[in-house]
Amino acid sequence: DAGVTQSPTHLIKTRGQHVTLRCSPISGHKSVSWYQQVLGQGPQFIFQYYEKEERGRGNFPDRFSARQFPNYSSELNVNALLLGDSALYLCASSLRLDRAFFGQGTRLTVV
Amino acid sequence: KNQVEQSPQSLIILEGKNCTLQCNYTVSPFSNLRWYKQDTGRGPVSLTIMTFSENTKSNGRYTATLDADTKQSSLHITASQLSDSASYICVVRGTRGSYIPTFGRGTSLIVHP
Repeated sequence: DAGVTQSPTHLIKTRGQHVTLRCSPISGHKSVSWYQQVLGQGPQFIFQYYEKEERGRGNFPDRFSARQFPNYSSELNVNALLLGDSALYLCASSLRLDRAFFGQGTRLTVV
Repeated sequence: KNQVEQSPQSLIILEGKNCTLQCNYTVSPFSNLRWYKQDTGRGPVSLTIMTFSENTKSNGRYTATLDADTKQSSLHITASQLSDSASYICVVRGTRGSYIPTFGRGTSLIVHP
């Protein structure tokens, strides 16, 4: 079985642009969470979705949004990119709201 | 405010030596605590999970301890290998009312030959 897959693996954007990151959870998993990990720091929680509904939101501005599709895949959208948005964005899937399995992440660089 | 503090921030040891990483948390009410290993540029991988009633749990050369009274956990690595070089992250989850996990900043471990 495939693990959590994220795309793209790397991305370079300029300030002010928007970006869409994608995540496919492990087959059968209904919960997807998004995390931002700045270099040298631990992951910071952004969103959690379960059964297509938002179940949790971290302390991130409204420029960050996400959604979960009927097939449980998910997108994270970030508008009006800032230099400080440069980070590794991790997606994790879980069967319900329990143990999380992480993808390899998308490395976003904003220049 | 839920917090997870890890120490040391970074650690360098020689191959074959043992080491212990610390995690202190203020998450309440407590549900479980996980230790993750994160290789550079990769996603974290779960090593162990500790619940309230568990004091010690081992996974190969990794042994985690939990003292729920003092809200402290440790991860002991025995006979370190070069492949142990990674960031080790402590993650604490509250009960249903506060299920969003709180991540520590991680301890960066470097194992030298």
